[in-house]
Amino acid sequence: GQSLEQPSEVTAVEGAIVQINCTYQTSGFYGLSWYQQHDGGAPTFLSYNALDGLEETGRFSSFLSRSDSYGYLLLQELQMKDSASYFCALVGATNKLIFGTGTLLAVQP
Amino acid sequence: DSGVTQTPKHLITATGQRVTLRCSPRSGDLSVYWYQQSLDQGLQFLIQYYNGEERAKGNILERFSAQQFPDLHSELNLSSLELGDSALYFCASSVEASGGSYEQYFGPGTRLTVT
Repeated sequence: GQSLEQPSEVTAVEGAIVQINCTYQTSGFYGLSWYQQHDGGAPTFLSYNALDGLEETGRFSSFLSRSDSYGYLLLQELQMKDSASYFCALVGATNKLIFGTGTLLAVQP
Repeated sequence: DSGVTQTPKHLITATGQRVTLRCSPRSGDLSVYWYQQSLDQGLQFLIQYYNGEERAKGNILERFSAQQFPDLHSELNLSSLELGDSALYFCASSVEASGGSYEQYFGPGTRLTVT
């Protein structure tokens, strides 16, 4: 089967940089996506890595290493509104998402 | 606003009952996905439809079924409900159903409470 592990909680200070890690086990996938979910809200797309390396989108960057079965999401210049849950997800052949366990990010002033 | 609509927003029902959740995808999106989010199971993929046909199946119970209609809206039917079915059910849509079109747009969800 497929599984993805993330730290359950991360705390950081406003203005700082935080990295959320994701390790996975799978026999095959197209890419690794990241989604943000505010409490009780809909997940929203943040980033996608089809290839190894770093993808940058504004304050957010995401990294993938297929050889290490590892990825991370990097959030820079943290703002209070970044407090949310973050999910990594394996993108399958049909575009279905297999989500990780989720990381609750708390940004403190 | 993602453009994906789901109804109802909240649903409270008793064990043993049957409910139908409805989803309208973004205009132009052909693929619809259903996900279940609960505290103990996290966010789980249930089933996917593309242009009216079932495309992929995940951890969907036999008591659950879904379909996508010619106008591309989708319905998720949950029957013989159990307490453990209480969860947030999300519908998402995307343009394609291949690994290259990666971004999914999620609806606001339907919160189901089984008492």
